[in-house]
This record gives sequence, structure tokens and C-alpha cells, in this order.
Amino acid sequence: GQNIDQPTEMTATEGAIVQINCTYQTSGFNGLFWYQQHAGEAPTFLSYNVLDGLEEKGRFSSFLSRSKGYSYLLLKELQMKDSASYLCAVSDISGGYNKLIFGAGTRLAVHP
Amino acid sequence: DTGVSQNPRHKITKRGQNVTFRCDPISEHNRLYWYRQTLGQGPEFLTYFQNEAQLEKSRLLSDRFSAERPKGSFSTLEIQRTEQGDSAMYLCASSLVPTTSGNTIYFGEGSWLTVV
Repeated sequence: GQNIDQPTEMTATEGAIVQINCTYQTSGFNGLFWYQQHAGEAPTFLSYNVLDGLEEKGRFSSFLSRSKGYSYLLLKELQMKDSASYLCAVSDISGGYNKLIFGAGTRLAVHP
Repeated sequence: DTGVSQNPRHKITKRGQNVTFRCDPISEHNRLYWYRQTLGQGPEFLTYFQNEAQLEKSRLLSDRFSAERPKGSFSTLEIQRTEQGDSAMYLCASSLVPTTSGNTIYFGEGSWLTVV
């Protein structure tokens, strides 16, 4: 089966850096995605990792360690608009078909 | 292309009624997914299609739920004899195969269902 764990809530200050962790267990790992979701809206794609290491994209970076079943999303120079839920999702190919399995999400509150 | 389109965006129905949601994926995307999301939770996988073939259906999905993609383009999700526990946001998403950073999964804005 699959299991994805991430903290439920985090708070941070505008301009600061925050790291959101995600641990996962899956039998058919085929990559890890991070999505951002504002309240009442659809998830939007942030990043994708399939190999170990750090992927940087502007203010956002994502790290993956496949041997540890661990990823993190790093947000720099936080802005108020970054207040949202951040969803860790694993691409799973167990059973022969590829689908995304999501964690419950981490609600990030950025305050002045 | 305007992205993944879903309708209706909101639906309020009485318990026991049937409801149907429609999803129009990004054109040329051959894979289409349905997810369900409740407050404070991540999206929960329901089913997905590759072209017109339904490849997998979640074991959590009761027989009251059925999805179709008759021509490999748009899809419908029907819920029969709705129950209050069906109240959720139903998300549709699409992608190209295989799923890589270049072929990521794009979500529609969701269809909110409230069963009263």
C-alpha cells in the first residue's frame, strides 16, 4: 500500500524561509510531485523529482532522497500569497498503472 | 487551450438524488483522472482513463459511482442515490502519458457537491 506523511500546519513570517517535509512509503515509486492549493481552488503544479537531489525553481526548491523515502519543499523569501496548502504526491506504478497518490497537505500560514 | 474544465462548479442536491459531473480535459491529453477532496484532506484517487479505457477504479468507490469517457475526450462522473457522505469537491485532472515533469497532471477547478 501507500502512505504519505506531512505536517498538518506550519506558520512562518513574511520574508523568511520555510521547509515542508514529506515522508512516503510506496511499492511502485515513479517520482514525487509538490502541488500548491489555495482554499477553494484546484491544486497547481510546483515541482517534480524523480532522481535524488535538489531541484530549484525560483523561490521554490524541492529535494528528494529515494533511499530514505523523504522529500522536502523549500520556500524562500516568503510572501503573504504563499499562504496555502502544500500537497506532497507520489507517482505510483504498482499494479502496472501510473497514478498520483496525495498526502493530506500542509497548511502554511504566512504572517507579517 | 483554457485548461481542464469542469461543470457544474457547484451542485446542491437532496439525499437520494442522482448527480452527474462533466470534465473536459486539456485537448490531446490522453489520460484523465477523477479525484475527490474533503475539507482538510488531500485529493483522494477515484478512477482514471487512458483514452476511452477505464484503467483503474479505487476500491473505496462504491457501486453508486460510475465514470465514463466514451470517445476518449470528455468524461462524466455519475453518483446515484447520493448520501450526505458524498459531499465533497470532485476534481478532474488530465495528463499525457508518461507522467513526468514535462507531462504533469493538471487539475480543473473542481465541482463542489453538497448533499442535504
